[in-house]
Amino acid sequence: SQQGEEDPQALSIQEGENATMNCSYKTSINNLQWYRQNSGRGLVHLILIRSNEREKHSGRLRVTLDTSKKSSSLLITASRAADTASYFCATGQIQGAQKLVFGQGTRLTINP
Amino acid sequence: DGGITQSPKYLFRKEGQNVTLSCEQNLNHDAMYWYRQDPGQGLRLIYYSQIVNDFQKGDIAEGYSVSREKKESFPLTVTSAQKNPTAFYLCASSMTGGRREKLFFGSGTQLSVL
Repeated sequence: SQQGEEDPQALSIQEGENATMNCSYKTSINNLQWYRQNSGRGLVHLILIRSNEREKHSGRLRVTLDTSKKSSSLLITASRAADTASYFCATGQIQGAQKLVFGQGTRLTINP
Repeated sequence: DGGITQSPKYLFRKEGQNVTLSCEQNLNHDAMYWYRQDPGQGLRLIYYSQIVNDFQKGDIAEGYSVSREKKESFPLTVTSAQKNPTAFYLCASSMTGGRREKLFFGSGTQLSVL
């Protein structure tokens, strides 16, 4: 079952601009993770934010989490052409089996 | 180099045939996973294993089988009972399988039906 829903499904911006992607989920979570996937490749872990955290930074990435709204956002600042990829949120749920549930992803295109 | 190796990169299945996708890791991780990805979609969990000789069904296990005889290996068999097998298959691992952990992914196998 899909838990996270990313918004928008696709995003196209100019190099140097900031890119913001959103993720909403339905059930209570232990943590939320963001992954990146280049076309035809595996996923790479970007950042993990725990349910008791509100904001986290890693390089040009900034993730926020609002558990009252059951939503998260991923901000990529000063985008580069190499940031072109699909970005997925994944939630670690409190109930149920110990596994992550992935959303359907946002396809980000950075135009040079 | 530590990591997860999936093979083959491309695989073709004939009608009624079983095929096996290989996944090997040298990260010394206890937990391993198989996901299916359809075009433009997210990942759906097929099977996962948190320890050798034990595995659990995920959300879409029908038509698939796995084994976990060694810590390093978690092969996935797509059986003839899987009527729509064309997809991108991703193997992943994590240290212990806890829900707080990040996953490490292989580079995937694209399975197509002839």
